[in-house]
Amino acid sequence: DTGVSQNPRHKITKRGQNVTFRCDPISEHNRLYWYRQTLGQGPEFLTYFQNEAQLEKSRLLSDRFSAERPKGSFSTLEIQRTEQGDSAMYLCASSRRNRGYGYTFGSGTRLTVV
Amino acid sequence: AQKITQTQPGMFVQEKEAVTLDCTYDTSDQSYGLFWYKQPSSGEMIFLIYQGSYDEQNATEGRYSLNFQKARKSTNLVISASQLGDSAMYFCAMRETHSTGNQFYFGTGTSLTVIP
Repeated sequence: DTGVSQNPRHKITKRGQNVTFRCDPISEHNRLYWYRQTLGQGPEFLTYFQNEAQLEKSRLLSDRFSAERPKGSFSTLEIQRTEQGDSAMYLCASSRRNRGYGYTFGSGTRLTVV
Repeated sequence: AQKITQTQPGMFVQEKEAVTLDCTYDTSDQSYGLFWYKQPSSGEMIFLIYQGSYDEQNATEGRYSLNFQKARKSTNLVISASQLGDSAMYFCAMRETHSTGNQFYFGTGTSLTVIP
């Protein structure tokens, strides 16, 4: 069990640029989640995959955001035309279908839009 | 309405003492799960303890225990024998089994500082 891996750990980008983050879940976990956490807040749900299917999307996920999970393994989260309000920690988590257990989170990608 | 409410932005505790972090929740589901996570300054969310809505016993995991009061919709985390390494943000979270799919709702967190 190597844990959930997220890359990059930090990303600084200029406003208007596109950015892409990657998440590698725990290999036997078929469920993958993206959350966003702004300063002083708890994580907020963005989207959820079961295998390669994106089953839920939050209203927070504007048209500039897109997430994929090809082949049901790693996932990418892309933000197009970044805005300063996109600055946040983006957390990925994975889980098995297993009652009573929480997610395993990655260490997150901290995005700063300047 | 907030699904999860944590009313203590910051807490201090003396090393080796016990501390209680408060959490209340709001749901109309009968079946739900309640979780606590620890977030050190490194950013990773670390799962601590779980309580199911139908569990009759309060959950315990080592130095962590929950004071689960279903009628009051509260699930307070008790950390016994605090250690310096316990200094971190603590988040309470809930997952509703039926209403909202698989997402977790998190509170705004409590910052715990353990004083030597």
